[in-house]
Amino acid sequence: EDQVTQSPEALRLQEGESSSLNCSYTVSGLRGLFWYRQDPGKGPEFLFTLYSAGEEKEKERLKATLTKKESFLHITAPKPEDSATYLCAVQASGASKIIFGSGTRLSIRP
Amino acid sequence: DADVTQTPRNRITKTGKRIMLECSQTKGHDRMYWYRQDPGLGLQLIYYSFDVKDINKGEISDGYSVSRQAQAKFSLSLESAIPNQTALYFCATSDFPEETQYFGPGTRLLVL
Repeated sequence: EDQVTQSPEALRLQEGESSSLNCSYTVSGLRGLFWYRQDPGKGPEFLFTLYSAGEEKEKERLKATLTKKESFLHITAPKPEDSATYLCAVQASGASKIIFGSGTRLSIRP
Repeated sequence: DADVTQTPRNRITKTGKRIMLECSQTKGHDRMYWYRQDPGLGLQLIYYSFDVKDINKGEISDGYSVSRQAQAKFSLSLESAIPNQTALYFCATSDFPEETQYFGPGTRLLVL
């Protein structure tokens, strides 16, 4: 069964303290892995799509990487405005749907 | 203007009532989706549609129905609302082959 697990559930960092969020997945074949940011009470906002192991994408203080079993979202020198829930989702080859993980709640203290 | 809009943004209703949530998009995408989100949980797929004549059940379709009125409009109905349908509901759109989904702002539903 296709599955997505995110860890940790919650992460509190000091401003400027870099860290990584993990997304482990089990699918029969990966078509795409997606990262979203979600602010409280709002819809998820698209960040990145990764398609193959070894691929990396960056946007401001965020960098997403992909291996055959997991993806990492690296946050470098975060700021309080980076506080949000980060969602990972995967689409299996031949599948018409994507499966979401339960997210990591990130809190950055000034 | 937002690419994906949802109405209403907030709704309070009573057990047994029928309600409809509406979604409109200006992205020109063929594919549309309805999800629900409960606190601390991921997004669960209710229904999805790949074009006006195509409707498919998701993981949790019981108690819900949908209507795809046009390429740009996809409505979700709760035939007889119950308290455990209290949740945040999101509409999303995507295009083939990219498949990236773009979400609306959500509808917060409370069933008393």
